[in-house]
Amino acid sequence: AQSVTQLGSHVSVSEGALVLLRCNYSSSVPPYLFWYVQYPNQGLQLLLKYTSAATLVKGINGFEAEFKKSETSFHLTKPSAHMSDAAEYFCAVSVPTSGTYKYIFGTGTRLKVLA
Amino acid sequence: DTGVSQNPRHKITKRGQNVTFRCDPISEHNRLYWYRQTLGQGPEFLTYFQNEAQLEKSRLLSDRFSAERPKGSFSTLEIQRTEQGDSAMYLCASSYPKATSTDTQYFGPGTRLTVL
Repeated sequence: AQSVTQLGSHVSVSEGALVLLRCNYSSSVPPYLFWYVQYPNQGLQLLLKYTSAATLVKGINGFEAEFKKSETSFHLTKPSAHMSDAAEYFCAVSVPTSGTYKYIFGTGTRLKVLA
Repeated sequence: DTGVSQNPRHKITKRGQNVTFRCDPISEHNRLYWYRQTLGQGPEFLTYFQNEAQLEKSRLLSDRFSAERPKGSFSTLEIQRTEQGDSAMYLCASSYPKATSTDTQYFGPGTRLTVL
């Protein structure tokens, strides 16, 4: 069965420092993987997605993620954190079902950016 | 493209009351999904529509829950006889099918339900 594990429910970084949010997946088929961001009391906004093309995926707001099959990982990075990056981040894997795909989400990582 | 919209954004109700939420998907999207997100957790899949047909329901969707998409456009999610455990954020998403890859689901802002 497909699943996603996000290591670290809370991550704190200083403004300008590297952001690294970890995501490991389990999938019996080649996975489609996503990162979403959620600001307080809002819905989910797509950051980036991996759909078996390039293994290094660039997204919005300077974020990128690298798909590593050997490590079953899809970690999210940003070279320099900004205060506006403070939010909750969710990794998801899509699972085929009834003619479409449903998403299985991780439990999320709350990012805090320190001034 | 105005995005996925959901109404109301917040709903406070007393235990035992019925509530109904509405989702308007992106206009050209024929697939619509409902998810539930409880505090400190990621969203969990509830149900999925392709046009007006409800094609899958999660076991999380008890018989107190019912979802409809009567004309293949907007959808409603009704919870009857609400319980405190129903308190959560209810998220709607929509997508357009791709022939060779997974759909990308676009999420609405959610409806936060509080059951007192």
